[in-house]
Amino acid sequence: RKEVEQDPGPFNVPEGATVAFNCTYSNSASQSFFWYRQDCRKEPKLLMSVYSSGNEDGRFTAQLNRASQYISLLIRDSKLSDSATYLCVVNRGNFNKFYFGSGTKLNVKP
Amino acid sequence: GAGVSQSPSNKVTEKGKDVELRCDPISGHTALYWYRQSLGQGLEFLIYFQGNSAPDKSGLPSDRFSAERTGGSVSTLTIQRTQQEDSAVYLCASSLAGGSSYTFGSGTRLTVV
Repeated sequence: RKEVEQDPGPFNVPEGATVAFNCTYSNSASQSFFWYRQDCRKEPKLLMSVYSSGNEDGRFTAQLNRASQYISLLIRDSKLSDSATYLCVVNRGNFNKFYFGSGTKLNVKP
Repeated sequence: GAGVSQSPSNKVTEKGKDVELRCDPISGHTALYWYRQSLGQGLEFLIYFQGNSAPDKSGLPSDRFSAERTGGSVSTLTIQRTQQEDSAVYLCASSLAGGSSYTFGSGTRLTVV
């Protein structure tokens, strides 16, 4: 079983829509969680960290469910510029090794 | 420097040649990672350095791949006798210890012809 699993998509949504992605992780000892965004032919960039209490940054909301071992990313009022691949990242804490999901592709259409 | 620096940004090499890819992490970051990404694919973990600990080489696909990190800073990924399937973008990232997020360089696009 993979450490981190994501639905590859693509998710095709109209501008203004709300879209949500989930990501599951296999190791209950995982301690840190992040969402990264990767644009076509670019390197991944940190979108937001995911805290136990959940956190919000503008149109983006991230949540962690430790009991079910998943994290989620909600994007409200989608913009064309949100089109990208969203990568879920999990860190176990020992020696700071990170595990990446394979990414979920989002296409926001006019 | 301000970010993770990788060089060269693009490399075209003939099959069978050796290549060296360089990564200069953010100053003070003790953890350094190499990943590779083939076109349209996810990130494939290659190797991980953390401080003075022995590196985690579990992701290296064959013995043609090796990496060093000298002085806890700059890292070099070496691919010997390159094959066409080695063509990919090789990404380096660094982070502070302790589970903090990490920052990627812009990658080296390797093409083996």
